[in-house]
Amino acid sequence: GAVVSQHPSWVICKSGTSVKIECRSLDFQATTMFWYRQFPKQSLMLMATSNEGSKATYEQGVEKDKFLINHASLTLSTLTVTSAHPEDSSFYICSATPLHQDRYGYTFGSGTRLTVV
Amino acid sequence: GQSLEQPSEVTAVEGAIVQINCTYQTSGFYGLSWYQQHDGGAPTFLSYNALDGLEETGRFSSFLSRSDSYGYLLLQELQMKDSASYFCAVRGTGFQKLVFGTGTRLLVSP
Repeated sequence: GAVVSQHPSWVICKSGTSVKIECRSLDFQATTMFWYRQFPKQSLMLMATSNEGSKATYEQGVEKDKFLINHASLTLSTLTVTSAHPEDSSFYICSATPLHQDRYGYTFGSGTRLTVV
Repeated sequence: GQSLEQPSEVTAVEGAIVQINCTYQTSGFYGLSWYQQHDGGAPTFLSYNALDGLEETGRFSSFLSRSDSYGYLLLQELQMKDSASYFCAVRGTGFQKLVFGTGTRLLVSP
């Protein structure tokens, strides 16, 4: 089955610094990946769609300059939280699916718990 | 825009049957999915309905009525390990993006 690896699983950073989160599709090529954010006891909120070789598409209200997305290869997308602040502390999850197999469900990475102190 | 509404919490006992409802409003519709998420974990895929009717996968079944913009997840023979959050999700138009419902927390007691 499709496997998506996300790294790191947790990170603590100081306010004002930047953090990079990696999302890799291990056994399939993903031209599109998705980044979500989830606050405690809430739903997953789609932040952006990462497109290989082109600019990411951000959802309304998501600051593209703060959440930088790079999808440089068919198996890797990165999310960089720039100038992090305590309110950016959250659970960040990526997902992807092999082309034309979405009826079998999207596969999610294990998530990254970000704590900004 | 897209919105998917679910009950916030459902409680049941082991061995029981529980139904989690989902009503949706979307600008495009390419099927309704269900995901399970345990605390601190990633969502895992449970079921998918592209057409009206019932889909059965083991103890879990999912139903869709496109004319009513409504679906539900049915969990049978509940087990303690079924305690988790359950999300419905729709794939709308554009880039195959998946939008999640508000989520339902299921608590299964002995």
